[in-house]
Amino acid sequence: GAVVSQHPSWVICKSGTSVKIECRSLDFQATTMFWYRQFPKQSLMLMATSNEGSKATYEQGVEKDKFLINHASLTLSTLTVTSAHPEDSSFYICSARRNGGYTFGSGTRLTVV
Amino acid sequence: SQELEQSPQSLIVQEGKNLTINCTSSKTLYGLYWYKQKYGEGLIFLMMLQKGGEEKSHEKITAKLDEKKQQSSLHITASQPSHAGIYLCGADGTGTASKLTFGTGTRLQVTL
Repeated sequence: GAVVSQHPSWVICKSGTSVKIECRSLDFQATTMFWYRQFPKQSLMLMATSNEGSKATYEQGVEKDKFLINHASLTLSTLTVTSAHPEDSSFYICSARRNGGYTFGSGTRLTVV
Repeated sequence: SQELEQSPQSLIVQEGKNLTINCTSSKTLYGLYWYKQKYGEGLIFLMMLQKGGEEKSHEKITAKLDEKKQQSSLHITASQPSHAGIYLCGADGTGTASKLTFGTGTRLQVTL
């Protein structure tokens, strides 16, 4: 079946540094990928839609300059959290749409210290 | 934007008991998805419903979509500790620009 690989699964970084999270579709081409954020005991919040070869579409309230999304190939989308601060600590998860359904990565737990 | 409200927010049931989780949409649903998650982990796809009145079952879990396509329910029969986790309903729209957004989530605990 369709597999989406997300790396790293967890990362700890210092405040002010940038962190890149990768989302790869392993056995299919994904023209569209999605990035979500999840705070403890809350649901998944859609941050942005990543489109291969074009700019990402951000949801209202999401800072596009802080959460940089690049979708340069049909199998890879990256989310870079720039100048990370403790409030950016969260669980980030990506998904890809395929054949009318959605496949999710295993998520990345980001801790900013 | 489409809003999905789930109820209850949390639920504690004794092993062997039945339970129901509801998902209500502010708009007519095109595709309604049910996922299960353990916090900090990925999502496990359970079922997808599209047609009004549709009902699907897998093992001890049954999902239904009402005729008006604005409400869905997830029913678990004879709950087990393995059913514990966060249950999320999600909805998307039509077309290539559709995106999946999630409900508020229901946290389920199953006690022995």
